[in-house]
Amino acid sequence: DAGVIQSPRHEVTEMGQEVTLRCKPISGHDYLFWYRQTMMRGLELLIYFNNNVPIDDSGMPEDRFSAKMPNASFSTLKIQPSEPRDSAVYFCASSRGRRDQPQHFGDGTRLSIL
Amino acid sequence: GENVEQHPSTLSVQEGDSAVIKCTYSDSASNYFPWYKQELGKRPQLIIDIRSNVGEKKDQRIAVTLNKTAKHFSLHITETQPEDSAVYFCAVGGGGADGLTFGKGTHLIIQP
Repeated sequence: DAGVIQSPRHEVTEMGQEVTLRCKPISGHDYLFWYRQTMMRGLELLIYFNNNVPIDDSGMPEDRFSAKMPNASFSTLKIQPSEPRDSAVYFCASSRGRRDQPQHFGDGTRLSIL
Repeated sequence: GENVEQHPSTLSVQEGDSAVIKCTYSDSASNYFPWYKQELGKRPQLIIDIRSNVGEKKDQRIAVTLNKTAKHFSLHITETQPEDSAVYFCAVGGGGADGLTFGKGTHLIIQP
């Protein structure tokens, strides 16, 4: 099993630019979660999908953030326009089931906005 | 929603000693309690989990205990080794909230 695959691993860009993060969940997993991790706030759930449908996006910090899941094997998290305070590590995780199943994390995208 | 408190935030122990990390939760309907280990620059990885129908689970040097009445659970690491140095997160699932709710993490430092 290849695990959850995220790209890019690192992204450095200037503020105001559009940033797109990508995630491929584990095959057969029907839930996909996007997290943001910072020293100050820890692991924050941004949004999650079930069978490609967004279920809860209450963790998305602002309208500058958007996420899509066009099919069962691909999801994107987009920030437009980006700001320095968006700098963080963004993780994608997937699970088979919603509430009482382990989540498997990707290697994350380390995002730096200059 | 679910509230998860994790203590301590930093724990330093001598190599070979035991380490204990504790978490409390608020939703009595929660029934799934995983622990994740995150090494510096790496992803969180599941190391052990327990469900509410058991009180203790062990896997080599790590164990988790659960007290559903008091709504707390703990991670125990025995005979600690340098490679145990990492940030450990507890999480809670299966209650009213979807997904997992994570604690803030414990930075475990193993002193040689």
